[in-house]
Amino acid sequence: ETGVTQTPRHLVMGMTNKKSLKCEQHLGHNAMYWYKQSAKKPLELMFVYNFKEQTENNSVPSRFSPECPNSSHLFLHLHTLQPEDSALYLCASSQAGTSGGNEQFFGPGTRLTVL
Amino acid sequence: EDQVTQSPEALRLQEGESSSLNCSYTVSGLRGLFWYRQDPGKGPEFLFTLYSAGEEKEKERLKATLTKKESFLHITAPKPEDSATYLCAVRNTGGFKTIFGAGTRLFVKA
Repeated sequence: ETGVTQTPRHLVMGMTNKKSLKCEQHLGHNAMYWYKQSAKKPLELMFVYNFKEQTENNSVPSRFSPECPNSSHLFLHLHTLQPEDSALYLCASSQAGTSGGNEQFFGPGTRLTVL
Repeated sequence: EDQVTQSPEALRLQEGESSSLNCSYTVSGLRGLFWYRQDPGKGPEFLFTLYSAGEEKEKERLKATLTKKESFLHITAPKPEDSATYLCAVRNTGGFKTIFGAGTRLFVKA
């Protein structure tokens, strides 16, 4: 595997279900991100982890719960979601540091549909 | 507040018809300006990072330029396979937040 991988690629869930999204990066980066992408809207940053520590929580509802067990893996636990949470969820990673732009590299995304 | 505005929202070109996409930005202190390409149903693909006004970068038919207020993505003699959404984003010198624009959807007709 190379780059950033995400599973599953597609997920359909009911409002009472509990599911998890998984992300793994094979780039040796130290920062990982979750974004939400809805139709015709800019990417919305949800969470940032730097060296496994959460450094940003962009006012995300508690029905989304992130977990970062190490610098290579990131999870997004989902429970009691709403239909408006249906979107493409993107994971990204970057090499955070004092030099460079810290450009982010993205996974293919998980297309989530909440019924 | 950091902000990114991209124009036009959509651009339709004939194959070989060169054009430019615009990204206007305001940021407290620029760490980097990024261009990405995104195909439908896929994650954004990194293209360029620009760090300071006057900088230019090229990749195949694409050339990105940067001023203190905006960036342009010039597309020379585009082909149908260049059809995609092009995203611009900025990162400031503090924190880990990258602000994305809404993107320009490019359609290139053969």
